[in-house]
Amino acid sequence: EVQLVQSGAEVKKPGESLKISCKGSGYSFTSYWIGWVRQMPGKGLEWMGIIYPGDSDTRYSPSFQGQVTISADKSISTAYLQWSSLKASDTAMYYCVRHLHSGWANDAFDIWGQGTMVTVSS
Amino acid sequence: EIVLTQSPGTLSLSPGERATLSCRASQSVSSSYLAWYQQKPGQAPRLLIYGASSRATGIPDRFSGSGSGTDFTLTISRLEPEDFAVYYCQQYGSSPLELTFGGGTKVEIK
Repeated sequence: EVQLVQSGAEVKKPGESLKISCKGSGYSFTSYWIGWVRQMPGKGLEWMGIIYPGDSDTRYSPSFQGQVTISADKSISTAYLQWSSLKASDTAMYYCVRHLHSGWANDAFDIWGQGTMVTVSS
Repeated sequence: EIVLTQSPGTLSLSPGERATLSCRASQSVSSSYLAWYQQKPGQAPRLLIYGASSRATGIPDRFSGSGSGTDFTLTISRLEPEDFAVYYCQQYGSSPLELTFGGGTKVEIK
């Protein structure tokens, strides 16, 4: 079964750092782009960026460039989303997603992780 | 940046009725790279349609997508109880790469 399994919910204070993970299984992890999508409480979906685990080519939404870092470790089939200094406005559900077609950056998302809820509060 | 505008914001219908959801783009979407997703409360979204009109694996044929250029439509031919949810469109054809979503349409029980 093709799946993405994300790390558990996090509660952090403003200014703290955080790295959440997304482990792929059931397919060739290095052959498909992996992305991250933010959903703030009660709001819609926002695309953050993508990475190609095969060569770590990374693209960011202009809205998130410089705010987060996307990385991957292909040896353990895991992608990451990290913050160096969290803000209260980072409170949201974060989903990792797999692209539908092997090797396609311009693509729809066919596999979604279960989501990681990040709460930032003093 | 391509902006996607979905309408209506909320659609109130009864089971068995036909639902027609609209997604309008601020610029032409290249190669009909337009997808539709369904999200139920407390769940991750699910891919329904890609390439404007191709159904994803396991999606019932009551869901259909159409359109090109700047105007796209998701049609649910006969609403089942499990179809009441929020639906998002997404374009993935822009260069430089931006995979933007519309604001969503909620389909609720009338």
